[in-house]
Amino acid sequence: AQSVAQPEDQVNVAEGNPLTVKCTYSVSGNPYLFWYVQYPNRGLQFLLKYITGDNLVKGSYGFEAEFNKSQTSFHLKKPSALVSDSALYFCAVRDPYGNNRLAFGKGNQVVVIP
Amino acid sequence: DTAVSQTPKYLVTQMGNDKSIKCEQNLGHDTMYWYKQDSKKFLKIMFSYNNKELIINETVPNRFSPKSPDKAHLNLHINSLELGDSAVYFCASSQETGLRQEQYFGPGTRLTVT
Repeated sequence: AQSVAQPEDQVNVAEGNPLTVKCTYSVSGNPYLFWYVQYPNRGLQFLLKYITGDNLVKGSYGFEAEFNKSQTSFHLKKPSALVSDSALYFCAVRDPYGNNRLAFGKGNQVVVIP
Repeated sequence: DTAVSQTPKYLVTQMGNDKSIKCEQNLGHDTMYWYKQDSKKFLKIMFSYNNKELIINETVPNRFSPKSPDKAHLNLHINSLELGDSAVYFCASSQETGLRQEQYFGPGTRLTVT
């Protein structure tokens, strides 16, 4: 079964500094990979995905992520963090040859310090 | 326009009661889901319907019964509510054909069982 690991519980970063949220995955076959963000008392919002094609994918709000097959990673990055980026970030993976079950990581709380 | 909507947003009820949560999506998607998010923010899939057919049924107590009257609606009925059912329940939808496979989430229903 597919799974995702988000090793850090919380990521603290100063405003204006680069932000990285780490994600590694385990899946049989080629993965479909997703990042979601959850603001307090809100539902999850889709940020970006990797299905096929270019390993560097760009998404909403200036976020991007790089698919690295050899390291089974899909780290989320933003060159310059904003205070408004403070939220809970979830990485998710789907096995395209299984059913449509999406496995989520435990989430990373990002705190951007003014 | 709200893409995925849920009602009610908050639900406070006593142990032993029966309650329902409704979900509607206006995205024309063919697949809908129910997730449970616990107090530690961990997200777990409960059910998934594709074109009104149940395709994912995780290890969920049979007190939980989903119903999909049509592709745009997926309701969740919970019998004999227990304290451990307290959580936030999210509905989501996606289109399982093509490359647009990201899931769109509703705002959540916070269920509190007393």
